Amino acid sequence: GIQVEQSPPDLILQEGANSTLRCNFSDSVNNLQWFHQNPWGQLINLFYIPSGTKQNGRLSATTVATERYSLLYISSSQTTDSGVYFCADPRDSGAGSYQLTFGKGTKLSVIP
Amino acid sequence: DTGVSQDPRHKITKRGQNVTFRCDPISEHNRLYWYRQTLGQGPEFLTYFQNEAQLEKSRLLSDRFSAERPKGSFSTLEIQRTEQGDSAMYLCASSLAGVSGTPPRGYTFGSGTRLTVV
Repeated sequence: GIQVEQSPPDLILQEGANSTLRCNFSDSVNNLQWFHQNPWGQLINLFYIPSGTKQNGRLSATTVATERYSLLYISSSQTTDSGVYFCADPRDSGAGSYQLTFGKGTKLSVIP
Repeated sequence: DTGVSQDPRHKITKRGQNVTFRCDPISEHNRLYWYRQTLGQGPEFLTYFQNEAQLEKSRLLSDRFSAERPKGSFSTLEIQRTEQGDSAMYLCASSLAGVSGTPPRGYTFGSGTRLTVV
């Protein structure tokens, strides 16, 4: 199956700093999604970003599908941005499930 | 709608016991997924329902695991004869079907059930 590599694995930021998280895929990506898992375990869908760039407040995401990678930009980071960021691409194994294959994530800690 | 609800939030059980978890998806979502997440890893797919039909099961889902979604509403995941290796966070997600032949554009996850087998 598809392999998902995320970098960096861990990131510590001072509040107010900017950061870029990267996701590489071993196969073509078609419907890439970014998620944030907060320290209490809740996974939130941040972006559906099959290609191009989208922005939502201080977060933006860019996917270059032809080169099989996606970037998540966090600007002016806040302590509430802490948690683990995952990317995933839904795949249909034939049953129409479009199950998500996740990477190991980037653990972000924003310190005041 | 309050999102996807999972119950219980935490479960501690002795090895060999059976446990059952419940997931209440967003009411209009016809797709429901179960995932398992261990420490330091991303969630791994377990099984998928479209309405009440269980259409896909991962190889991770051993014979001790069974899932149901009667009437296409809530779902249950049962683990029989639990083992220490079953300790994990069990996540439920739901989504609307995409336009025919396309994936959902968004998935809503519950807060998960953290299982500890002692």
